[in-house]
Amino acid sequence: EAQVTQNPRYLITVTGKKLTVTCSQNMNHEYMSWYRQDPGLGLRQIYYSMNVEVTDKGDVPEGYKVSRKEKRNFPLILESPSPNQTSLYFCASSSTTGVNTEAFFGQGTRLTVV
Amino acid sequence: GQQLNQSPQSMFIQEGEDVSMNCTSSSIFNTWLWYKQDPGEGPVLLIALYKAGELTSNGRLTAQFGITRKDSFLNISASIPSDVGIYFCAGQLRGNAGNMLTFGGGTRLMVKP
Repeated sequence: EAQVTQNPRYLITVTGKKLTVTCSQNMNHEYMSWYRQDPGLGLRQIYYSMNVEVTDKGDVPEGYKVSRKEKRNFPLILESPSPNQTSLYFCASSSTTGVNTEAFFGQGTRLTVV
Repeated sequence: GQQLNQSPQSMFIQEGEDVSMNCTSSSIFNTWLWYKQDPGEGPVLLIALYKAGELTSNGRLTAQFGITRKDSFLNISASIPSDVGIYFCAGQLRGNAGNMLTFGGGTRLMVKP
């Protein structure tokens, strides 16, 4: 089954404690991205990756890092989480080479930073 | 980044009624996508539209890619309780920055049995 898998689904952490949210897709998609969703602000892109070893900032990159060492994985790293990073996070992937370029989303990671 | 103008923001309808929502933009897009999101879950793709003027159906759902490439609508016929959720439109522009998505603010649909 084609899917985007995020882990963990839920995470509560303390300010300053480094964490990583993993994302993996099994569709051989070139393009992957991270979004955060906040009430009243909709879905905002944090970082994206065009392909392996190619990443770039989205609209709200401050406080986040990403890496793309393999095509299927695109982890989101919070080096020093702060309470304003409490949010619902989604990873998404899509093809850039085919006719069908629709984005598929993971199930989300609800992060609370206290 | 910009957000698409999606309306209405919310709808409370009776089971069996038809529903219509739309998105407009000041920019053109190559692709229009419609997603449904249940509480605490990720958006699930409902319909993808790739050509201006294209009209596509998926069961009780019908969506159209506006001829100007700046708008799209989604219709749901004969609504049922499981249609409850938030519906998002997204415009996609394929370019040097990949498959950039711009989202609408969402339409919250509530269905009364």
